[in-house]
Amino acid sequence: GEDVEQSLFLSVREGDSSVINCTYTDSSSTYLYWYKQEPGAGLQLLTYIFSNMDMKQDQRLTVLLNKKDKHLSLRIADTQTGDSAIYFCAERGGGGNKLTFGTGTQLKVEL
Amino acid sequence: ETGVTQSPTHLIKTRGQQVTLRCSSQSGHNTVSWYQQALGQGPQFIFQYYREEENGRGNFPPRFSGLQFPNYSSELNVNALELDDSALYLCASSLQGRSYEQYFGPGTRLTVT
Repeated sequence: GEDVEQSLFLSVREGDSSVINCTYTDSSSTYLYWYKQEPGAGLQLLTYIFSNMDMKQDQRLTVLLNKKDKHLSLRIADTQTGDSAIYFCAERGGGGNKLTFGTGTQLKVEL
Repeated sequence: ETGVTQSPTHLIKTRGQQVTLRCSSQSGHNTVSWYQQALGQGPQFIFQYYREEENGRGNFPPRFSGLQFPNYSSELNVNALELDDSALYLCASSLQGRSYEQYFGPGTRLTVT
């Protein structure tokens, strides 16, 4: 079945870049996503990438997709304290409607 | 444009009871998905509704059921509650045809004692 894996924690200094990594197993994934979850809140859709793309940039966010290695990354430039949250990687399989999520990476931004 | 709303925010139930959670989808969105997020985990897909019909289901038992209404709002019903049902229940809405964009509500925190 589908599986999505992420590292659990990442700590960066304010102003540095953050890179959050994710691997997935479903070779038929059509879309891959990054969601942000702040404490006690729902999920905020940050960005997504279609599987035939290898890069997408949206303001401070850059998504890189290596489909051969089934590896997705999210780079946050000039990381701010407001970026502290849990970041979830998710994939949508071919022909399906469900999203399969990783366990989330907790990003801590230190002053 | 209104976002996805869910009610109630929190509730506490006893094992064996039944619960109904509600979701109002984002304006114009006709597809609703439900997810269960246990503490420290990523969300797990329960099922999706489109045009008042179930349109895909995850690995959840039949005691998890749902409804979608003509105004696209939705309910999640859970019967015979178990302690492991304690979780954050998230609703997400999307436009059919753009179902790859799922927008989540704030969730309902269910505690089963």
